[in-house]
Amino acid sequence: EVQLVESGGGLVQPGRSLRLSCAASGFTFDDYAMHWVRQAPGKGLEWVSGISWNSGSIGYADSVKGRFTISRDNAKNSLYLQMNSLRAEDTALYYCAKDRGLAAAGYFDYWGQGTLVTVSS
Amino acid sequence: EIVLTQSPGTLSLSPGERATLSCRASQSVSSSYLAWYQQKPGQAPRLLIYGASSRATGIPDRFSGSGSGTDFTLTISRLEPEDFAVYYCQQYGSSPVTFGPGTKVDIK
Repeated sequence: EVQLVESGGGLVQPGRSLRLSCAASGFTFDDYAMHWVRQAPGKGLEWVSGISWNSGSIGYADSVKGRFTISRDNAKNSLYLQMNSLRAEDTALYYCAKDRGLAAAGYFDYWGQGTLVTVSS
Repeated sequence: EIVLTQSPGTLSLSPGERATLSCRASQSVSSSYLAWYQQKPGQAPRLLIYGASSRATGIPDRFSGSGSGTDFTLTISRLEPEDFAVYYCQQYGSSPVTFGPGTKVDIK
């Protein structure tokens, strides 16, 4: 059974940093690209960032480019999102999602339950 | 980037009725790389359809997808009580991937 478990969310002040983690199990992690997708309270889904199976291809939404960094550790079956210079508009539930393929350019066939990030003073 | 528009914003129907949800793209979605997700309150999204018309594993056949180019449709042939939820379309034919704003299907 595929499982994606996010952690690392919390309340943080504007301008500060936070690192999210996603622990994956139930599939061969290094065979698939992975993504972060967020959902602001009461709003729709927004793709944040994606990383290919070998970290060779990485993409970011314009809204987070230069502030967020995605990475993965295939030996630990883990995905990460380093979030710097956080803003109030980054407040959202952050989902870890598995891509259907190797490249970070597909649809998302499994999702975690999300970790909540609240940016507020 | 490709902007997706979904209509209607809310669809009020009764169990047993047919639901037709629309997703329109601002430019052609290459290779029909269009997916649909269902999201219930307090839950993560669930993949329903990929490639515009292929059902994901375990998805009942009352869910069907169609369309190409810029116009796509998700049809639920007979609504079950568990189908009342928000539905999102997503294109993955060009970077960045983008989602539509969602259609809420609620009980009339």
